[in-house]
Amino acid sequence: QVQLQESGPGLVKPSGTLSLTCAVSGDSIASSKWWNWVRQPPGKGLEWIGEIYPSGSTNYNPSLKSRLSMSVDKSKDQFSLRLTSVTAADTAVYYCASRIFGDIRRSAFDYWGQGILVTVSS
Amino acid sequence: EIVLTQSPGTLSLSPGERATLSCRASQSVNNKCLAWYQQKPGQAPRLLIYGASSRATGIPDRFSGSGSGTDFTLTISRLEPEDFAVYYCQQYVTSPLTFGGGTKVEIK
Repeated sequence: QVQLQESGPGLVKPSGTLSLTCAVSGDSIASSKWWNWVRQPPGKGLEWIGEIYPSGSTNYNPSLKSRLSMSVDKSKDQFSLRLTSVTAADTAVYYCASRIFGDIRRSAFDYWGQGILVTVSS
Repeated sequence: EIVLTQSPGTLSLSPGERATLSCRASQSVNNKCLAWYQQKPGQAPRLLIYGASSRATGIPDRFSGSGSGTDFTLTISRLEPEDFAVYYCQQYVTSPLTFGGGTKVEIK
């Protein structure tokens, strides 16, 4: 059973950088999966942020691409998100999630972290 | 970008009734790469259906998905008290991956 756990600061100042980490257990981050970030502003719907493969290959949401970077740390079985120049619009619960690679029809988000609320405020 | 439109926004039903939720895509979702998720307050989404019609592990058979192309449906045959929640559809065939705006199933 794969378990994902987000960690990072719950408060970030406007124009600052939001940095989060997702720890993976019950599986290796080097396995054939895409490792994803999804966010949800308070009271609103879900927005896909982007994903990274263990090789380092990434897919980013174009709406965030200019401010976004992701990385993988295989030695720690974790992956990370970095979002720069944040504003109040980036306030949200941030989830990490996984989906399998290879069988496209099965490649929905099968495992999710519990989520972490990040507030952008001075 | 594939835009997903869910309807209705809110569905008010009683336990034991049948729920029918719709998800319409702005362009064809190839290979039926359409999923449904359930989300309860304060919880992460949970995968119910993938591939438009395949139930995820541990999902009761009162949940069923159907559809292809641009029109998809999630049906809950008989609502249990624990089924009152928000439901999202999602396409994962092409980047950016996108979600619908959600349908809230509430107790009438």
